[in-house]
Amino acid sequence: GALVYQYPRRTICKSGTSMRMECQAVGFQATSVAWYRQSPQKTFELIALSTVNSAIKYEQNFTQEKFPISHPNLSFSSMTVLNAYLEDRGLYLCGAGQANSDYTFGSGTRLLVI
Amino acid sequence: AQSVDQPDAHVTLYEGASLELRCSYSYSAAPYLFWYVQYPGQSLQFLLKYITGDAVVKGTKGFEAEFRKSNSSFNLKKSPAHWSDSAKYFCALEAPGSNAKLTFGKGTKLSVKS
Repeated sequence: GALVYQYPRRTICKSGTSMRMECQAVGFQATSVAWYRQSPQKTFELIALSTVNSAIKYEQNFTQEKFPISHPNLSFSSMTVLNAYLEDRGLYLCGAGQANSDYTFGSGTRLLVI
Repeated sequence: AQSVDQPDAHVTLYEGASLELRCSYSYSAAPYLFWYVQYPGQSLQFLLKYITGDAVVKGTKGFEAEFRKSNSSFNLKKSPAHWSDSAKYFCALEAPGSNAKLTFGKGTKLSVKS
């Protein structure tokens, strides 16, 4: 079956530092990877959508300068939260999918900023 | 632009009762609609989706949802409810052709008392 692994599961970083999270697709080719954030007590917001052979598309309020994403092959993606502050805390979710199929979500990376 | 509204932030009921979680959407054409569940401290799990065809869609864990175009709703149902159904439920919309970009509602926290 299709599985998506995200790591680390939880992480703590000091305010102003950066943190990188990774997403691994197993059992299928992830032609698209979507990164979402769930801030405390809120819903999931799309950060950006990465599709092979296309530019990474960031949603309003999210920028490449703050959340650089790498999608070097069909099984792996990473995203970094640069210069993290309190408002960046939350659950970061990676969803990976193929053309014309639904996303499979990873277990998420929970970020705590202190 | 599309949006998803889950008007009930919290729903509480007793085990054995029927549950119905409300979801309405705003989209100019025919959307794809999803329900996901998030157990405490965990990531999203897929429950079901509506693409086209029969208005009632059956999913995992005994859930089903009914698509009603007349009032743009996609309510989630289960009978009877079990205490293990206690979780947060998210309704989501995908605009066809958007490369599986999901717009989530704010979620409904369901508490099932035994």
